[in-house]
Amino acid sequence: DQQVKQNSPSLSVQEGRISILNCDYTNSMFDYFLWYKKYPAEGPTFLISISSIKDKNEDGRFTVFLNKSAKHLSLHIVPSQPGDSAVYFCAARKMNYGGSQGNLIFGKGTKLSVKP
Amino acid sequence: DAGITQSPRHKVTETGTPVTLRCHQTENHRYMYWYRQDPGHGLRLIHYSYGVKDTDKGEVSDGYSVSRSKTEDFLLTLESATSSQTSVYFCAISEVRDRGKGAHFFGQGTRLTVV
Repeated sequence: DQQVKQNSPSLSVQEGRISILNCDYTNSMFDYFLWYKKYPAEGPTFLISISSIKDKNEDGRFTVFLNKSAKHLSLHIVPSQPGDSAVYFCAARKMNYGGSQGNLIFGKGTKLSVKP
Repeated sequence: DAGITQSPRHKVTETGTPVTLRCHQTENHRYMYWYRQDPGHGLRLIHYSYGVKDTDKGEVSDGYSVSRSKTEDFLLTLESATSSQTSVYFCAISEVRDRGKGAHFFGQGTRLTVV
């Protein structure tokens, strides 16, 4: 049963516009949410995270919004650039319990294409 | 970039043969992980380690074993490779301060093909 869902396999956006990537989760015991970017033939790269006690975190062109009541988070990229074209993974961390503390559960990813 | 090296980067092996993938880190991070990435599945945790000789199973551990005899090395072994284990394997590391943000840092990946 998927605990972290990215329902859009792909997204296409024009350069300079906003990219919005969405993620839904089912487990109320997640305490951190993260976004990773992955280029082909490379490992995922950490992008930005948000604590479950916050509703927004911003880092340059990247902003993550968290709506706990809806169990939904989104990543906004403004303005989008062709170099942002990659697969974006949403991940959630379970609260610390014994040896499983800190393990991440990933969504299936959304492929973002930013067109010049 | 986090100092994580995976070897080999590519491997083709035959069904039924044992395979060992190596992850080496220079960051002295306590936590290490092995994930696999498959189309339609995202990243799934195979095994993880929370210290030397301390390991535990992840979501998809069947058919895999791990060992960590030194802080810097985490080995993933497929005892008898099957075609369903054809995948891209990623090693990741994290430390307490990183885990405060939840962040794992990933290696470049190993593409394994079992024929």
